Amino acid sequence: DTAVSQTPKYLVTQMGNDKSIKCEQNLGHDTMYWYKQDSKKFLKIMFSYNNKELIINETVPNRFSPKSPDKAHLNLHINSLELGDSAVYFCASSQGANYGYTFGSGTRLTVV
Amino acid sequence: AQSVTQLGSHVSVSEGALVLLRCNYSSSVPPYLFWYVQYPNQGLQLLLKYTSAATLVKGINGFEAEFKKSETSFHLTKPSAHMSDAAEYFCAVSGSGTSYGKLTFGQGTILTVHP
Repeated sequence: DTAVSQTPKYLVTQMGNDKSIKCEQNLGHDTMYWYKQDSKKFLKIMFSYNNKELIINETVPNRFSPKSPDKAHLNLHINSLELGDSAVYFCASSQGANYGYTFGSGTRLTVV
Repeated sequence: AQSVTQLGSHVSVSEGALVLLRCNYSSSVPPYLFWYVQYPNQGLQLLLKYTSAATLVKGINGFEAEFKKSETSFHLTKPSAHMSDAAEYFCAVSGSGTSYGKLTFGQGTILTVHP
């Protein structure tokens, strides 16, 4: 069983479109995260949810909106996609950051 | 605030040679430190973590790291490199207070292993 699963794995879309990425974890963790990995492999946190409550919201355009229907799911919706949104988006979960994260395999988003 | 600096974006070793990947951190509170490995087109996998217990931490795949507070370092080592160790390695730090819940990552070090 996959601990943290993301769908889709690859996403190619045109500028201006709206798209969603889904994430689910079966580890029973309370906290879930979205990270963005850019073309230089730099990892930057976007959002964090703890028990469905938003606790970290970094400086991210408001075109990005996370949604957590329950503590096992954290989805990412992106409106009006731009070329600069092309990146790999990783979902992760943890019992708390001091325990480390379990990462999903990533979603490679390409905006054309 | 916390930050991580990985010295050397690329490290190349011969198979069987010592692997040393450098990480220095900055944290205003006692840090929790991690090393992750990323293979091509995959997610990040936890190699090992320091959580204020023993300063020498052993991880998976024969890797270990030593926490040195005086040097603010957490370097990753492996006595003998294997071809399968070729990947990108990330050091990360977690703190408390407003940073609680967030891992801050270094910029990564690509390890190449030559036969």
